[in-house]
Amino acid sequence: GAVVSQHPSWVICKSGTSVKIECRSLDFQATTMFWYRQFPKQSLMLMATSNEGSKATYEQGVEKDKFLINHASLTLSTLTVTSAHPEDSSFYICSAAPLRTGGEYNEQFFGPGTRLTVL
Amino acid sequence: AQTVTQSQPEMSVQEAETVTLSCTYDTSENNYYLFWYKQPPSRQMILVIRQEAYKQQNATENRFSVNFQKAAKSFSLKISDSQLGDTAMYFCAFIPSTGANSKLTFGKGITLSVRP
Repeated sequence: GAVVSQHPSWVICKSGTSVKIECRSLDFQATTMFWYRQFPKQSLMLMATSNEGSKATYEQGVEKDKFLINHASLTLSTLTVTSAHPEDSSFYICSAAPLRTGGEYNEQFFGPGTRLTVL
Repeated sequence: AQTVTQSQPEMSVQEAETVTLSCTYDTSENNYYLFWYKQPPSRQMILVIRQEAYKQQNATENRFSVNFQKAAKSFSLKISDSQLGDTAMYFCAFIPSTGANSKLTFGKGITLSVRP
């Protein structure tokens, strides 16, 4: 159980175009989803936290108009990189946290990641 | 705010030997959880082990165990009988217990190489 998928796994796009990445919780309902960015050999950097049906909360320094996040249902969140440029090339990872059922923390389950290359 | 520090960028260990990865953290929270995550070359994040701060007993998962020193805010991971498949980046992480949107704070990670 607790499987999270991401699609696509790898995308190449031209500079100036927009790219959408999907994150799905396959066997549970995710009230909260997180989006991370990771450069090679570096740690995960949290970009934003999204709750189903409400606006995402972005971390300081992350452009919300650049990285659009939509958490439209309890099993799907999308990250759209608008007007992508080569510096947006990175590995994007989502995680999903199920509704807390009395546990003391929100366990996060990670997707396999999406590699974005902007030419 | 919480901080997680992994000061060793890389380590290498011979297959079948034991290796310890270090992690320190800083927080003013009373209740929290600590984790070690493994990220192999596939880049899928895998939870290795979890420690609840209010539990004094160190967590163990097969060949993986932790040395949790709450007063010193230290949380090291010991890998026994290292295997080639243990080659990966390892991240120490912290999350407070309270708050529906509690966020994971990761350390910088350490690249572990297991030599045949």
